[in-house]
Amino acid sequence: EVQLVQSGAEVKKPGESLKISCKGSGYSFTSYWIGWVRQMPGKGLEWMGIIYPGDSDTRYSPSFQGQVTISADKSISTAYLQWSSLKASDTAMYYCARRPAAGRFDYWGQGTLVTVSS
Amino acid sequence: NFMLTQPHSVSESPGKTVTISCTRSSGSIASNYVQWYQQRPGSAPTTVIYEDNQRPSGVPDRFSGSIDSSSNSASLTISGLKTEDEADYYCQSYDSSEVFGGGTKLTVL
Repeated sequence: EVQLVQSGAEVKKPGESLKISCKGSGYSFTSYWIGWVRQMPGKGLEWMGIIYPGDSDTRYSPSFQGQVTISADKSISTAYLQWSSLKASDTAMYYCARRPAAGRFDYWGQGTLVTVSS
Repeated sequence: NFMLTQPHSVSESPGKTVTISCTRSSGSIASNYVQWYQQRPGSAPTTVIYEDNQRPSGVPDRFSGSIDSSSNSASLTISGLKTEDEADYYCQSYDSSEVFGGGTKLTVL
């Protein structure tokens, strides 16, 4: 069974750093792109970027380029999303999802809620 | 890049049929597949339609997808509406990057 299990909810202060994770199981982790999607409170889905764990090829949405870093450790089948300096506007639910083809996500993680507040 | 525009909300009664549209702003709707996701409150999205009109296993055949080149749009149709269908629905497509529609809130009342 394909599963993506994300790390737990985080509460951080502005300016702090953060790295959240997404662990894949039940399939060949290195053979599928993993994407990250933001959902701000009460809002829609926004594509942030994707990574191919097989060779760490990474693509970012222009809206998120330079704002976050996507990485992966294929030895432990885990993808990451990190911030070096959080802002209150980063408060959102973040989902990882497996991308079997361009324009499509088939399996989603349960989401990680990030709250940034002073 | 292009945008995908969905109605903000739709509502219909149980047992009826509803159609949610997803209009592509530029480029042909047929040039890249369209996917549809259902998101119930407090849950992650799940796929109800992929590759324009394919249903994943486990999704009832009350859900169907189509594209219309004349209106440059995709549609998700849900027939025999049930209260459990009440959710947000998002379309997604691709053209050098992933694009999501803004989402449509379906109310079944």
